[in-house]
Amino acid sequence: GAVVSQHPSWVICKSGTSVKIECRSLDFQATTMFWYRQFPKQSLMLMATSNEGSKATYEQGVEKDKFLINHASLTLSTLTVTSAHPEDSSFYICSARPRGSDTQYFGPGTRLTVL
Amino acid sequence: QQQVKQSPQSLIVQKGGISIINCAYENTAFDYFPWYQQFPGKGPALLIAIRPDVSEKKEGRFTISFNKSAKQFSLHIMDSQPGDSATYFCAASTGIRSGGSNYKLTFGKGTLLTVNP
Repeated sequence: GAVVSQHPSWVICKSGTSVKIECRSLDFQATTMFWYRQFPKQSLMLMATSNEGSKATYEQGVEKDKFLINHASLTLSTLTVTSAHPEDSSFYICSARPRGSDTQYFGPGTRLTVL
Repeated sequence: QQQVKQSPQSLIVQKGGISIINCAYENTAFDYFPWYQQFPGKGPALLIAIRPDVSEKKEGRFTISFNKSAKQFSLHIMDSQPGDSATYFCAASTGIRSGGSNYKLTFGKGTLLTVNP
């Protein structure tokens, strides 16, 4: 149980285009979903927290107009990187927290490469 | 200000040995302490977690020791195997028990564990 999926697992795009990443909780309802960014050999950096049906809360320094987050249902959240640039290339990971639990279950991650 | 300090940064252990990773936290409001294992190119996977009302928790070869007064907790991997080679992250959050409203995890910087055959 407690499986989180992400799609796509990797994506290559041209500079200036937008990319959408989906995060789904497959066997539970996620009250809260989180989006992280991870650079090679570094820890996870929280980008934003989203609760179903409400606006995402972004961490300091994260541009909310560039990283659009939508938590449309209790099983789906999306991250859209708008007007992507090479510096946005990174490993993006989502996590989901079931109702009544402290535990975050992580997705497998999405490798974004912007050319 | 880093709120969860993790050490060592890297660790090499022989097969069958014990791997020990330590973490220290500053925020006394933290009440949930998970450990995650991450393989290259994959998302972190929950290994084991503990709350401050328990001093030790064991699941198979993995044990968390928790010292509330010292604000420290550690992961012990017994009988370490080459398949345990991965990056391990400790984390902490304020959760349900403390009326946490955001459940945000604060991560340590990670420990790269290599288990030699």
